[in-house]
Amino acid sequence: KQEVTQIPAALSVPEGENLVLNCSFTDSAIYNLQWFRQDPGKGLTSLLLIQSSQREQTSGRLNASLDKSSGRSTLYIAASQPGDSATYLCAVLNTGGFKTIFGAGTRLFVKA
Amino acid sequence: DADVTQTPRNRITKTGKRIMLECSQTKGHDRMYWYRQDPGLGLRLIYYSFDVKDINKGEISDGYSVSRQAQAKFSLSLESAIPNQTALYFCATSDLAGQRRTDTQYFGPGTRLTVL
Repeated sequence: KQEVTQIPAALSVPEGENLVLNCSFTDSAIYNLQWFRQDPGKGLTSLLLIQSSQREQTSGRLNASLDKSSGRSTLYIAASQPGDSATYLCAVLNTGGFKTIFGAGTRLFVKA
Repeated sequence: DADVTQTPRNRITKTGKRIMLECSQTKGHDRMYWYRQDPGLGLRLIYYSFDVKDINKGEISDGYSVSRQAQAKFSLSLESAIPNQTALYFCATSDLAGQRRTDTQYFGPGTRLTVL
């Protein structure tokens, strides 16, 4: 059974700092891995999707990497801003079951 | 206008009541999903539908039922609500887009349900 773990559960950093959020998964048989952002009381917004054949994806100040063999993904945020404060969730889409499994998220607070 | 809409956005109800949550999408996607989110547990899949004639149970379907009325509409029902169904409920859509690996999910704004 696929399990997705995100560490840390919460993170507070000063504005301008570069930071890394971690995601690990137990079953490497995945189709893709997706990073989402969730603002309080709001829905999820897709940030980056990495296909199983890819190693990384970039969008602006965000870079996501994928290492299937070790069951790990990281989301790198460069030059963090207060507007980046949100909860970040990673989710994996398994092969065969077509079910997306979510981690519990990392709550990020960027201090001005 | 939002691509994925959910109604109602907030609902307070009592134990034993029947509740329906509705989801509509204008993205033209074939796949639709219902999730619930509880603090510290992430999102868990309740039901999913790959087309109008296809309904599948997710991880936590007990106590819930769904109806796919059309490609654009997917509703979730709680036949007899209980307090541990208090949660944030999300509808999502996705589309194969010709390649299985690009099954990006798009979420609605959520429905906050409280069962007293």
